Amino acid sequence: AQTVTQSQPEMSVQEAETVTLSCTYDTSENNYYLFWYKQPPSRQMILVIRQEAYKQQNATENRFSVNFQKAAKSFSLKISDSQLGDTAMYFCAFMKVGGATNKLIFGTGTLLAVQP
Amino acid sequence: EAGVTQFPSHSVIEKGQTVTLRCDPISGHDNLYWYRRVMGKEIKFLLHFVKESKQDESGMPNNRFLAERTGGTYSTLKVQPAELEDSGVYFCASSQVGVWGEQYFGPGTRLTVT
Repeated sequence: AQTVTQSQPEMSVQEAETVTLSCTYDTSENNYYLFWYKQPPSRQMILVIRQEAYKQQNATENRFSVNFQKAAKSFSLKISDSQLGDTAMYFCAFMKVGGATNKLIFGTGTLLAVQP
Repeated sequence: EAGVTQFPSHSVIEKGQTVTLRCDPISGHDNLYWYRRVMGKEIKFLLHFVKESKQDESGMPNNRFLAERTGGTYSTLKVQPAELEDSGVYFCASSQVGVWGEQYFGPGTRLTVT
């Protein structure tokens, strides 16, 4: 069974600085996706970034980038130039590709507070 | 385009009562998922519909939970009778069939069983 671990329950960063959120996972699968989802205080969860396991290049979306280390089963999220609107709960998630269902397996989340 | 909607946003019921949660997916999304987050823990998968069929219900905790998706449109999740441990936030998500990747989440229903 797959598991996702986020070891940082809470983090804080000053506005305009850079912060890295950690995520590790365990799987015997070779083909999968990894995601970072963000849930702001208003509660709607949205996708931040996605990484396909077969791609060696790290995904980037504007100020958000990942460090995907497949051998180490590590998938960290870096947020550059942090903004107040980045304050949210961040969930790392795993999805096996090719099965009958594409359910997401989540970590416990990291609560990020961006300080002015 | 409207996103995934869920109703109610918050429900407080007593142990032993029945509650029905509703999810309206994005129009055209045949995949519909239910997830649950118990306080401080990870978000856990409950079940997956493709249209009106249950593709995977391996995450349903027990037979007090009943999910339906009438006509492949909206879905309901009924808890009967509710227990204290059922408290948490219930999320619904939808996605298009054949498109691997992003699931679009609703705002969640916070269920409190007292």
